[in-house]
Amino acid sequence: GQQLNQSPQSMFIQEGEDVSMNCTSSSIFNTWLWYKQDPGEGPVLLIALYKAGELTSNGRLTAQFGITRKDSFLNISASIPSDVGIYFCAGQLGRDMRFGAGTRLTVKP
Amino acid sequence: EAQVTQNPRYLITVTGKKLTVTCSQNMNHEYMSWYRQDPGLGLRQIYYSMNVEVTDKGDVPEGYKVSRKEKRNFPLILESPSPNQTSLYFCASKVGGGGTEAFFGQGTRLTVV
Repeated sequence: GQQLNQSPQSMFIQEGEDVSMNCTSSSIFNTWLWYKQDPGEGPVLLIALYKAGELTSNGRLTAQFGITRKDSFLNISASIPSDVGIYFCAGQLGRDMRFGAGTRLTVKP
Repeated sequence: EAQVTQNPRYLITVTGKKLTVTCSQNMNHEYMSWYRQDPGLGLRQIYYSMNVEVTDKGDVPEGYKVSRKEKRNFPLILESPSPNQTSLYFCASKVGGGGTEAFFGQGTRLTVV
C-alpha cells in the first residue's frame, strides 16, 4: 500500500533553532496525526488535526492540515535537546491509516 | 493508567520456530492493529481488528497470523519465522476504525536467525 511522503528524512540542528517537516500524499485524508518516537519506545501522539485548513498548537509545536487534505506540516520552535527522536506523520481516512517514513531529528546542544 | 502492553520487548529466535507476541490494552478500545517498523519504511500495517472475532489484512500480512478472542488482547503469531521478519513490531489500539488517535505499545524487537 502507498505510504506518505515525509521530508526531510533527517535533520541536524542547533539547540534553539526552529524545525519544519512535512508530509504529502496523492490521496486525501480526513485526519492528520503527528507522532514522536523516542529511542526504545513506541510512537506517542503529539498533535491531531481533524479539519482541512486547521492550525493547531501544542506548546512549541504547531501543525497544519493542508486545505487540499493531501498534506500536513509540523513546526517545532526553539528546539531543545529532548526534541531528539523520530517524528512520524499519519494520514487517516476511515479505517485506513498510513504513516510516513519518519523524520529523524538530532539537536546539538 | 491507560496503556498498550506488548510482550516480550526483545526476542531472538531461530528460523521456523513458532512464536507469539502478545498485546493487551486496558482502554476498552474496539480497534487494534499490528505494525512493523523497518529503517526508511516507517510503520507498515500487518493486520488489524475492528472488534472481537473481526480481523483483516493490512499491507504486509504474509507470514503472520492474528486472533481476537477477547476485546483487550490481540496476539501476533509467526508460525514459521524467517530472517526477513526481523523487525521492530508495534501493537496499537484506538476507540474505533475512524479518525481517532491510536495508542502504541512500547514495541517488540524481534531477531530471527
